[in-house]
Amino acid sequence: NAGVTQTPKFQVLKTGQSMTLQCAQDMNHEYMSWYRQDPGMGLRLIHYSVGAGITDQGEVPNGYNVSRSTTEDFPLRLLSAAPSQTSVYFCASSSPDRGLFSYNSPLHFGNGTRLTVT
Amino acid sequence: AQRVTQPEKLLSVFKGAPVELKCNYSYSGSPELFWYVQYSRQRLQLLLRHISRESIKGFTADLNKGETSFHLKKPFAQEEDSAMYYCALLTSGGYQKVTFGIGTKLQVIP
Repeated sequence: NAGVTQTPKFQVLKTGQSMTLQCAQDMNHEYMSWYRQDPGMGLRLIHYSVGAGITDQGEVPNGYNVSRSTTEDFPLRLLSAAPSQTSVYFCASSSPDRGLFSYNSPLHFGNGTRLTVT
Repeated sequence: AQRVTQPEKLLSVFKGAPVELKCNYSYSGSPELFWYVQYSRQRLQLLLRHISRESIKGFTADLNKGETSFHLKKPFAQEEDSAMYYCALLTSGGYQKVTFGIGTKLQVIP
């Protein structure tokens, strides 16, 4: 299993440009999410999905769109890039724990995409 | 709303010294706590979770509900422990959102 795969690893955009960060997982996880990692702020949830066709906003959703047409893929779109979106973006997946503890499985992370907006 | 506090952005210890990375949380429900670690140029990965009660790479963490803490401890630090450590809280019910602390960078000095 490749786990969670993110592309690209690095990207430089100019203000106003749009792009899509790709995320795919091969673990058949129902839950997928996008985080941004900024120094001194930890990881903040952008958007998440509990299954194909279902998405919802996280803590910092403005300026980002997502869709979930398949279980495997969860792309993140920047519609009009701004310097404030310079960050490292992580995609993560998990599944409901239907065992003893009734908690979701731990998050499985991708390698991240380092985005710079000039 | 849930919150995770890691009071130290940077913790420097000498090799062989004990390590304690602090984590406090606020959450009205029944929490599940995790520690994630990110080594240089690698992805975040799970280190341990309180419900498993495991010791991973010599690290342990005990959930103290009275003090709302989940501190990460290791008796003897090693150079390969140098990394970024994130405490995370998983809420119960419905989609279980994960809230992260700001992270603590552990630097083990040879």
